Amino acid sequence: ETVLTQSPGTLSLSPGERATLSCRASQSVSSSYLAWYQQKPGQAPRLLIFDASSRATGIPDRFSGSGSGTDFTLTISRLEPEDFAVYYCQQYDTSPLTFGGGTKVEIK
Amino acid sequence: QVQLMQSGAEVKKPGSSVKVSCKASGGIFRSNAISWVRQAPGQGLEWVGGIIAIFGTVNYAQKFQGRVTISADESTRTVFMELTSLRSDDTAVYFCARQSGYHYRGSSFDYWGQGTLVTVSS
Repeated sequence: ETVLTQSPGTLSLSPGERATLSCRASQSVSSSYLAWYQQKPGQAPRLLIFDASSRATGIPDRFSGSGSGTDFTLTISRLEPEDFAVYYCQQYDTSPLTFGGGTKVEIK
Repeated sequence: QVQLMQSGAEVKKPGSSVKVSCKASGGIFRSNAISWVRQAPGQGLEWVGGIIAIFGTVNYAQKFQGRVTISADESTRTVFMELTSLRSDDTAVYFCARQSGYHYRGSSFDYWGQGTLVTVSS
């Protein structure tokens, strides 16, 4: 099973600041089959990034993904008020499909 | 516009079973795998398993093998997840999620249902 470790657990930032979230895999994720999701309280997750760096439909360009192999990063260039939420990475390379434990981005 | 509509909340006794449904509208039903993902209160996301409708094949996380059955009814465009021998730690919101391709590998979750709360309590 591919274990995904996200860091930090919580990120306290102000609107307008840059957020950098990390996701490290216990084994290489081939073909960069890694996604990022945003989840707000009481809602289903929303796909932001797929294949490590491709933005999903309708996602603003302040969200970007990078990385390959075992190290991946989600960057939010300038935080908007609606971006404060929990973010999960997920690999879809090998079964079982697995998620990271999440990073909460909170208002400082 | 793809939408996944799930059945309503359930309250079950320990040892019983629950069957949750997920009806898809929009898109081509057989073209995409659909998975179930659960989230215990205040916790992260956990993949339960999924079905590749075009082949009728299922794939379950080892943790749920023997307790979970995922099936699909193409005529009603509905996917089902049945979980048996329920325990208190099965209390969670269960989401269905469509994968962007027909197979688990290489396909992210592009559309999600609204979630179904399953509460297991004596």
